[in-house]
Amino acid sequence: GENVEQHPSTLSVQEGDSAVIKCTYSDSASNYFPWYKQELGKGPQLIIDIRSNVGEKKDQRIAVTLNKTAKHFSLHITETQPEDSAVYFCAATYSGGGADGLTFGKGTHLIIQP
Amino acid sequence: KAGVTQTPRYLIKTRGQQVTLSCSPISGHRSVSWYQQTPGQGLQFLFEYFSETQRNKGNFPGRFSGRQFSNSRSEMNVSTLELGDSALYLCASSTGTVGGELFFGEGSRLTVL
Repeated sequence: GENVEQHPSTLSVQEGDSAVIKCTYSDSASNYFPWYKQELGKGPQLIIDIRSNVGEKKDQRIAVTLNKTAKHFSLHITETQPEDSAVYFCAATYSGGGADGLTFGKGTHLIIQP
Repeated sequence: KAGVTQTPRYLIKTRGQQVTLSCSPISGHRSVSWYQQTPGQGLQFLFEYFSETQRNKGNFPGRFSGRQFSNSRSEMNVSTLELGDSALYLCASSTGTVGGELFFGEGSRLTVL
């Protein structure tokens, strides 16, 4: 089955700086890669996703890049703000037939230092 | 519109007991997935139901089971509880289309003593 590795487990950055979280996946058939943000006491919330037919996607301060050859994808957050502090999860799945279960990375605790 | 509702939010059980958790999806969503979240293993997929049928299943023992009703509400059951079952159980609803967004509830925190 799919295996997703996520690094780093904890990331501390100064407010205003950029943050980068990296994930690798094992199954070359995976074609859907979402990123979720989980705030304390809440369920994960989708913040951005990318499909294997594109290499990069942006949404305001957030961007995701995908390298299918190397089987890795990354989340980039620019101009970080205090509300960006949360746990971020990457995930991968093959969405060829039905809503298959997502395989998640172990998460990155992002800390924004004031 | 209302989000995903999970009940109960917190519960404490002892080893050997069983537990039933409930999930009400977003109105109109026909797919409900369940995930187990622990500090050591992260988020792990349990199973997914679509139109009352289990469509996909993760790698968990048979003590973990679920079902979905005609109104799309879902329940999951864990029998013969073990200490290692202590976790946050998250329910996610979606329309069920390929690669569709999952909307998570806030979870049910299970503690097994």
